[in-house]
Amino acid sequence: GAGVSQSPSNKVTEKGKDVELRCDPISGHTALYWYRQSLGQGLEFLIYFQGNSAPDKSGLPSDRFSAERTGGSVSTLTIQRTQQEDSAVYLCASSLNWRILLGETQYFGPGTRLLVL
Amino acid sequence: QKEVEQDPGPLSVPEGAIVSLNCTYSNSAFQYFMWYRQYSRKGPELLMYTYSSGNKEDGRFTAQVDKSSKYISLFIRDSQPSDSATYLCAMSLDTGRRALTFGSGTRLQVQP
Repeated sequence: GAGVSQSPSNKVTEKGKDVELRCDPISGHTALYWYRQSLGQGLEFLIYFQGNSAPDKSGLPSDRFSAERTGGSVSTLTIQRTQQEDSAVYLCASSLNWRILLGETQYFGPGTRLLVL
Repeated sequence: QKEVEQDPGPLSVPEGAIVSLNCTYSNSAFQYFMWYRQYSRKGPELLMYTYSSGNKEDGRFTAQVDKSSKYISLFIRDSQPSDSATYLCAMSLDTGRRALTFGSGTRLQVQP
């Protein structure tokens, strides 16, 4: 079946502009994660949605970052007033639910490469 | 200090070699340990996952977890050029936040 999809695949923007990144998780997956991968760095957790529960926003680096998930499916990550240090690959992942013990691990999309000039 | 440390490499080996990739971590509460493979300009894909300590084998891949030493390893036998990628270790707690904590990744090149 279809995997996690993300759009756009690449985004170039000017410093100070707002950007929206979209994630379509695997159908039926209730858990959705956003990560950021900077050059030469591992993945950094940003935010996590599980079903109808309040999202875990503990990884968001500043209040310029926000995310929502509509209808328990598609998610949008918004970065306001972008800065050059926001340049990174933004990865979305989904899993059937949070119970990793059952082997329901996270499946990643291809990412959105954001470049802030 | 990062919670998970991983040598960035690059690690270059000849085809057919045994590859050893490692991570150390500081949080003794981690219970789930994973290895992801990431090809250039692609998202990470899960290779192996292990709960708590022990070994797990899948084809040419073996994952080992030593919780007493806070050390995990991935071994690749009979390495192939197609194994050339960045390998990321990741780990997670048993309770609470389910997000993964990643190492920075080791870039592997298998020379034909």
